[in-house]
Amino acid sequence: TQLLEQSPQFLSIQEGENLTVYCNSSSVFSSLQWYRQEPGEGPVLLVTVVTGGEVKKLKRLTFQFGDARKDSSLHITAAQPGDTGLYLCAGDNQAGTALIFGKGTTLSVSS
Amino acid sequence: GAVVSQHPSRVICKSGTSVKIECRSLDFQATTMFWYRQFPKQSLMLMATSNEGSKATYEQGVEKDKFLINHASLTLSTLTVASAHPEDSSFYICSARDRRTPSDTQYFGPGTRLTVL
Repeated sequence: TQLLEQSPQFLSIQEGENLTVYCNSSSVFSSLQWYRQEPGEGPVLLVTVVTGGEVKKLKRLTFQFGDARKDSSLHITAAQPGDTGLYLCAGDNQAGTALIFGKGTTLSVSS
Repeated sequence: GAVVSQHPSRVICKSGTSVKIECRSLDFQATTMFWYRQFPKQSLMLMATSNEGSKATYEQGVEKDKFLINHASLTLSTLTVASAHPEDSSFYICSARDRRTPSDTQYFGPGTRLTVL
């Protein structure tokens, strides 16, 4: 069974601070997706990383896919209250199968 | 990105009634859709894989007679919670793979909040 360990599970920081969320696995994934979810809504796709070593930037968010395609990180620079939400990483093994989700990181950014 | 809709967004029902939730892919065809259940501040738990034109594949521990899935067309999957009880109260989310994208990106619906009294 493939597992995706996501950490930290909860994070409470002040506006302007930086943070990193990690997703680790012993398994190789063909791609990895990061989602952000707000209460009462479905997850919204932030980014898909496919190539080992890939780095993608989305404004203040930086996503990295490990060289071996077993791990990924999400770094947020100068967090803002609007970044508050549940961040989910999900590994994709093969087309047609369901994503394998991490347990999620609940981020709270206070002003 | 692609759009997946769910209906209804919120339902409150009495114990013992059946509730149907619809999941539609609005601008693409989806041979495979997925149904998840989510508890507060937790990640998504896969319930079943819905395959167009064939039987759904259920995850271990999910009662197929309780959670009935029908994927009758390439754009619609339905989840029926049969004889719902308070413990079935949860947030149900569907997703669909968009095979037009290189990575078969999975898009999620907005979710359905089920409350069983």
